[in-house]
Amino acid sequence: LAKTTQPISMDSYEGQEVNITCSHNNIATNDYITWYQQFPSQGPRFIIQGYKTKVTNEVASLFIPADRKSSTLSLPRVSLSDTAVYYCLVGDVGTGGFKTIFGAGTRLFVKA
Amino acid sequence: EPEVTQTPSHQVTQMGQEVILRCVPISNHLYFYWYRQILGQKVEFLVSFYNNEISEKSEIFDDQFSVERPDGSNFTLKIRSTKLEDSAMYFCASRGDYSNQPQHFGDGTRLSIL
Repeated sequence: LAKTTQPISMDSYEGQEVNITCSHNNIATNDYITWYQQFPSQGPRFIIQGYKTKVTNEVASLFIPADRKSSTLSLPRVSLSDTAVYYCLVGDVGTGGFKTIFGAGTRLFVKA
Repeated sequence: EPEVTQTPSHQVTQMGQEVILRCVPISNHLYFYWYRQILGQKVEFLVSFYNNEISEKSEIFDDQFSVERPDGSNFTLKIRSTKLEDSAMYFCASRGDYSNQPQHFGDGTRLSIL
């Protein structure tokens, strides 16, 4: 399983774009990159998933360079409600019994 | 949007007792998971379940724990002889059968062992 490394915490202000980078140097060929958001006392919530290049949905974008050894979650125009812990996960979601390993995540604090 | 539901939201149990945590995964999902999160710590994988059997389990998931899918909709985690250190949030997750399907999590059961 590929180990991931993320910043422990980040601060931002409302309305700013936030980029959280995750490194996963030993990512395997079949591995996807998935980002989750977690609020206190709630389960992780799926944000976005990708394999290579760029993926965009209604809440975020995910940038993956050609070597796939890192990825960047981009949150456009954050609000106070985006204060949460963000997890980057790497694994082969195509395999039954995907043993998901969560790292410590990145605590994002959005200030007014 | 379909979601994973967990009951109860909070369970208080005396040390040494058995508890059963219940989950209703999303209806067409085929892979099921349990995780725990001790207060202030990271989410820890416990077990994954597919085709009515355990696919993988972590070192945490010892003989004290068991999982079951007793019918077509529920997925349960049983913890026998609970200990104080079993106090945590327990999350259930499920995912579909396609290769790039992410896991969807419930909002957890807070287990408090007294």
